[in-house]
Amino acid sequence: AQKVTQAQTEISVVEKEDVTLDCVYETRDTTYYLFWYKQPPSGELVFLIRRNSFDEQNEISGRYSWNFQKSTSSFNFTITASQVVDSAVYFCALSGNNQGGKLIFGQGTELSVKP
Amino acid sequence: KAGVTQTPRYLIKTRGQQVTLSCSPISGHRSVSWYQQTPGQGLQFLFEYFSETQRNKGNFPGRFSGRQFSNSRSEMNVSTLELGDSALYLCASSFEQLSFGTGELFFGEGSRLTVL
Repeated sequence: AQKVTQAQTEISVVEKEDVTLDCVYETRDTTYYLFWYKQPPSGELVFLIRRNSFDEQNEISGRYSWNFQKSTSSFNFTITASQVVDSAVYFCALSGNNQGGKLIFGQGTELSVKP
Repeated sequence: KAGVTQTPRYLIKTRGQQVTLSCSPISGHRSVSWYQQTPGQGLQFLFEYFSETQRNKGNFPGRFSGRQFSNSRSEMNVSTLELGDSALYLCASSFEQLSFGTGELFFGEGSRLTVL
């Protein structure tokens, strides 16, 4: 079975703080993809990043960075120097080669960045 | 280019009625998938359509159905509405079929259905 767990339901930080959103996944697929999406109040999910199971390189994009560790089945997301505009719900998701590519989402982490 | 467009954005129905939601994908995208988002169950996959054929289906009862037209626009229908069907229904489009797993999904803002 495939499962994504985001243990942090809500996180509140003050602007300019660093924050890490945790994601732990379970899958029996040998080939799979991991994703992070951001959902602002308007409702649409915005794609942030995709990693495949064979690429454990960490990635940095501006203030965003991702740490993928197969040994711990984790794909954590760090925002450096958080800003009020980062306030949103963040979803980690998984798709496997034996699941037809459908995304399995975690429950989401609501991030609130206060000025 | 224009994003994914979902209509209507908000609607209220009563139990037993049916509802049809529409999704226009990004131009050139051939895959349309639907997700239901509720506070209790989170985001759950409903189904995917690619080239007018249903390619994948989630664990939802037969009351939930969909179709895709030759221009890739998609509709989903929920018949005999129940209170538990109240949710945000999100549509996502991609160029490739989901099973390739490599493409990012572009989501619409959703249709918020309230069943009274």
